[in-house]
Amino acid sequence: GIQVEQSPPDLILQEGANSTLRCNFSDSVNNLQWFHQNPWGQLINLFYIPSGTKQNGRLSATTVATERYSLLYISSSQTTDSGVYFCAVEPDNYGQNFVFGPGTRLSVLP
Amino acid sequence: KAGVTQTPRYLIKTRGQQVTLSCSPISGHRSVSWYQQTPGQGLQFLFEYFSETQRNKGNFPGRFSGRQFSNSRSEMNVSTLELGDSALYLCASSSVGVGTEAFFGQGTRLTVV
Repeated sequence: GIQVEQSPPDLILQEGANSTLRCNFSDSVNNLQWFHQNPWGQLINLFYIPSGTKQNGRLSATTVATERYSLLYISSSQTTDSGVYFCAVEPDNYGQNFVFGPGTRLSVLP
Repeated sequence: KAGVTQTPRYLIKTRGQQVTLSCSPISGHRSVSWYQQTPGQGLQFLFEYFSETQRNKGNFPGRFSGRQFSNSRSEMNVSTLELGDSALYLCASSSVGVGTEAFFGQGTRLTVV
């Protein structure tokens, strides 16, 4: 089946710094989403981005489907950005069955 | 509009018992999928339902089952609970599934003792 890798696994930043999270996947996909998991476990939608570039405030994302990777950019990080970021891909088959990466744990220090 | 609602939020069960979890999708969404999250295995797909039919199934034993009702609400059932079933169970809803944006509920945290 499709493999999803995320890097780095852990990231520690000072407040105000910028960061780039990467997601690599091994096959073509119907869908790719980025999520932030809050301390209570809920997955919060950041981007629905099977291809192209999107921006939402301090966050932006780019997916290059032909090269099978996606990047999540966080600028001017805040302590509230701390948590785990997941990339999830929907394989190119019948039905919606996300395959998640292992996540990047981000800690933003004041 | 209301988001995805999962009930209950927390559950403690004894080994050998069975449990039923519920997921109400966003109004108008017809696809509901379920995921298990554990520290060791991460987030893993259990199954997806669309218009009351199971469309996809992950690699889980037959003790894990689900169903979807005509109003798109879904339930998952785990029979003969094992300690290893302790996990956060998340459901997601999307309009038609394939290629459409999915939204997740807050999850049900199951502890098996």
